[in-house]
Amino acid sequence: DVVMTQTPVSLSVSLGGQVSISCRSSQSLVHNNGNTYLSWYLQKPGQSPQLLIYKVSNRFSGISDRFSGSGSGTDFTLKISRVEPDDLGVYYCGQGTQYPPTFGGGTKLELK
Amino acid sequence: EVQLQQSGAELVKPGASVKLSCKTSGYTFSNYYMSWLKQMPGQNIEWIGNIYGGNGGTGYNQKFKGKATLTVDKSSSTAYMDLSSLTSEDSAVYFCARDGDYFDYWGQGVMVTVSS
Repeated sequence: DVVMTQTPVSLSVSLGGQVSISCRSSQSLVHNNGNTYLSWYLQKPGQSPQLLIYKVSNRFSGISDRFSGSGSGTDFTLKISRVEPDDLGVYYCGQGTQYPPTFGGGTKLELK
Repeated sequence: EVQLQQSGAELVKPGASVKLSCKTSGYTFSNYYMSWLKQMPGQNIEWIGNIYGGNGGTGYNQKFKGKATLTVDKSSSTAYMDLSSLTSEDSAVYFCARDGDYFDYWGQGVMVTVSS
């Protein structure tokens, strides 16, 4: 299985600040069809995960442009600018290029 | 509006089975896969398997073969997951999620507690 490694495990941020979360995969996530199936999810306390970014850099419907994804191959980054209270929770990266789909261990975003 | 509504929390005895449901609305059920995922308290998310709404074709994570069985009822746009021979390791929150190369819509999750 593809191992997804996220850093850092936790992150403290001031409201209005900017943060970056790193996600590395144990194998390239470039599919034979040329797409890279790397997604980002946010799980708020007591809720189910919600999709933020798909295929590395595409924002899902209704997601603020304060969220941006980048990267290629095995290294990916999620950036959150102008952090708001509603952004707090655990962020997960996930890959769907190789079966089974796997997720990173999560990055907890907290207020400083 | 796409919605996935899961059944309520379950308390089951070790060795028993449980059937979870995920009723969908707001999209064409037969055009998408539905995945099931497991999250133990404070832990990572694991993919259990998926099922195609159109023909019931399934794919499973090797880790969950023999543990989970996925089915669908197209007439009610509902997906089901049977979990068998339950142990304490099966105590977790289980999510259904629409699967189209990424998980774009999720159910609210259902907590399964295995305890005598």
